[in-house]
Amino acid sequence: QVKLVQSGAEVKEPGASVKVSCKASGYTFTNYYMHWVRQAPGQGLEWMGVISPTGGSASYAQRLQGRVTMTRDTSTSTVYMELSSLRSEDTAVYYCARDPEAATSFYYYMDVWGKGTTVTVSS
Amino acid sequence: SFELTQPPSVSVSPGQTARITCSADELPKQYAYWYQQKPGQAPVLVIYKDTERPSGIPERFSGSSSGTTVTLTISGVQAEDEGDYYCQSADSRGTPVIFGGGTKLTVL
Repeated sequence: QVKLVQSGAEVKEPGASVKVSCKASGYTFTNYYMHWVRQAPGQGLEWMGVISPTGGSASYAQRLQGRVTMTRDTSTSTVYMELSSLRSEDTAVYYCARDPEAATSFYYYMDVWGKGTTVTVSS
Repeated sequence: SFELTQPPSVSVSPGQTARITCSADELPKQYAYWYQQKPGQAPVLVIYKDTERPSGIPERFSGSSSGTTVTLTISGVQAEDEGDYYCQSADSRGTPVIFGGGTKLTVL
């Protein structure tokens, strides 16, 4: 079955960077875009960006431009999200989520989600 | 900036019908999508493209659209439907994903 397995929890100091991985299985990795969405404690969902697994091009949320980088490794069916210059407001659960249609249409949404990775930013 | 507005909370008794709205602040409205999230779990897609239901989602979940407002309707609400519900859409200026603020559904 389709699965997205994310890396484990991270604790980082302010100013550091974090890199979260998301390993896909159960489907053809290069056929589906992947989103990253985060959720601060007690807050709603925030879209961070989306990456195309074929060419590796990515589109980022404007408020995170310059701090977030999404990459992929097709040999291991894994996508990565790196967030730099961390601050306390970046403390959140980070989710990767597959997009069932973006690769072939202009419709962006998420049909399969990873379980999330908790990132805590604290000194 | 483009926003999707949801009521913070909705409460219904078991067996009743819950309606959760999501209003866009501009035209043209893009398709809307709905996610259910239970505490400590990842979101689950329950409605896509305004009215379509993914396989495995109970028939009591339905979606509708009118003007710039979309509505998630849960008919015959069950205790297991309690959780947070988020709408998602896109704006016409190129941001492909925007989430509403979320609605907490309480089953009394």
